[in-house]
Order: sequence, then C-alpha cells, then structure tokens
Amino acid sequence: GAGVSQSPSNKVTEKGKDVELRCDPISGHTALYWYRQSLGQGLEFLIYFQGNSAPDKSGLPSDRFSAERTGGSVSTLTIQRTQQEDSAVYLCASSLVGGFGTGLSYEQYFGPGTRLTVT
Amino acid sequence: QKEVEQNSGPLSVPEGAIASLNCTYSDRGSQSFFWYRQYSGKSPELIMFIYSNGDKEDGRFTAQLNKASQYVSLLIRDSQPSDSATYLCAVKGGYNKLIFGAGTRLAVHP
Repeated sequence: GAGVSQSPSNKVTEKGKDVELRCDPISGHTALYWYRQSLGQGLEFLIYFQGNSAPDKSGLPSDRFSAERTGGSVSTLTIQRTQQEDSAVYLCASSLVGGFGTGLSYEQYFGPGTRLTVT
Repeated sequence: QKEVEQNSGPLSVPEGAIASLNCTYSDRGSQSFFWYRQYSGKSPELIMFIYSNGDKEDGRFTAQLNKASQYVSLLIRDSQPSDSATYLCAVKGGYNKLIFGAGTRLAVHP
C-alpha cells in the first residue's frame, strides 16, 4: 500500500512569504504528526492530530505556525511570514491510532519530507 | 539535560563486526522506545521498538532496554556497509509524540 506522501518535496521561498506544506497519511491512519528536522535542533515534534483535532500543539515554535487536518486525512502545515530560521526539513508521520497506549498500532511511519529553504 | 541523549559519533566499525549504539533518557516514566535509521537525505525508517526490560531480537538487530538505568541500546551484528546511516533513538512522550535524540552516525567500512 502507499506510504505517507508529502508535497512539495522542495520549497524555496523568500523571507516574509507564507508557505503551505501538505501531508497525506497512510490510508486508515487516524493519527498524524508533524516534525521538523534542522541541523542545529535535530528532529523535533511540532503538532499531533487525532482525527481532525489537535490535542497537542506544544511543539509549534511560534504563532506563525499553524496546521489543520480535514476529513481525518490530509493535513496542511502553514508557516506565515517565513524567517530564515524556519529553513528545515518538515516531516509528517502517521500511525494507525494515537494516544497513550503501546503496541504495533501506535508505530509511526514517516513521509519523505519537504525541504524548506527561506532565502 | 536533554530528554534523550546519544553520542553523535561517528561510530566506525569494520564490516562483519558488531555495532553498539547507545541512548539514555531522562523521563523515568517512559514506557516505549524506538530505533529509527536515517540514510542521508532520506526520512527516518523504523527498525526496532521495545517496551519491556531485556533484549528484543529481530534478524541482525537487538534492542536492549534497562529502565532502572534509563538506558536503551541497539546492537547490529555482522555489520554491512549498507548499515552506514544515522541511527535515531526515540522515546514516546505524551499523546504518542516521539522525542528524538540527536542521532549517532554509523560508518561501516569494508
């Protein structure tokens, strides 16, 4: 079956512009996560969706960052007024279920990522 | 103190040897631990998970967990050049989010 897909694969934008990054999770996966990987910070959690709700937004670095998920499927991460420090690879992951349990259903599978460069 | 700590490496081992990758974590209540492999320019790939103290084996990979010492490790037996990658240790936090270490770069030389 298809894995997690993300688009675009690469995005170059000018400082101050808004960008939208898209994630299409594995079919049937109810939980969706956004992470960011940058040279200085490693791989860091941004936001978690269960269905269309986001019970954990604790990793969003500023109010310039927002995300939504519709139809329990596709998610969009929006960065407004981009800054150079936003340059990173944005990774999306999904799991069959989310929450506080353990087991195979909670395993997260990553998409290929979107490399964002802010010039 | 970082929540998940790994030696950044590089860890260099000869082909056929055992590679030992280590990770410590700060939250004593953590229950679930994961090893991801990441090739350069690619996204992380789940290779092992472990929930219980002791060893868990899967092919050439063995994960070891010691909750009392807050320590998790990954052993790769019969290392191959294709194992050369960055290995990320992750601990499950609230709401199933993953908290990652900075990763250890492994280089297997022929």
